[in-house]
Amino acid sequence: QAVLTQPSSLSASPGASASLTCTLRSGINVGTYRIYWYQQKPGSPPQFLLRYRSDSDKQQGSGVPSRFSGSKDASANAGILLISGLQSEDEADYYCMIWHSSAWVFGGGTKLTVL
Amino acid sequence: QVQLVQSGAEVKKPGASVRVSCKASGYTFTSYDINWVRQATGQGLEWMGWMNPNSGNTGYAQKFQGRVTMTRDTSISTAYMDLSSLTSEDTAMYYCTTSESHSGWFDPWGQGTLVTVSS
Repeated sequence: QAVLTQPSSLSASPGASASLTCTLRSGINVGTYRIYWYQQKPGSPPQFLLRYRSDSDKQQGSGVPSRFSGSKDASANAGILLISGLQSEDEADYYCMIWHSSAWVFGGGTKLTVL
Repeated sequence: QVQLVQSGAEVKKPGASVRVSCKASGYTFTSYDINWVRQATGQGLEWMGWMNPNSGNTGYAQKFQGRVTMTRDTSISTAYMDLSSLTSEDTAMYYCTTSESHSGWFDPWGQGTLVTVSS
């Protein structure tokens, strides 16, 4: 089982909100991890969006709009990237990442379609 | 501005080795780690390892242990990633990126270097 699991795709309408999940493998407690989120558009390298561990331990990337935010769902053992007020430019691939067993581990990515 | 510029595309035969360079500018090269991340076409991101340009210390993903070597030349603010025993599964875009020590805030990223392994 992969360390981080993300849904492969998600669709949402302009102006709506999208909740992208990053589920940690059973036995790995989401509460102890900083979860990093990246956005990647076709033909470009990824861009750092934000990191989130708790409301008192979070950091937004430079120039990243506040409509991108992080949270956790402890009951689901998952990190969440919430994008509110979706815009067409938000259509991209999104990756989560954690530091686990002395390595950076990426989730498989979610392709977000805004339509 | 802070910038990472990578070397150009490479085509290699199976079993060969490849070196990708990453030249930093706009900041003190020895102050930030360099990480390497690769991405096969249409696939996700895969972290390969990190290097501290000041000490030369490295840490590699288990998958690449024994096959990858990360080095640097501080006199020209350039990091290198060598990958040996190439197979077709190593065909990918390779990115370098910087971060504070032990941070997952990777920013900026190089433009990427496409490595194609084909007989």
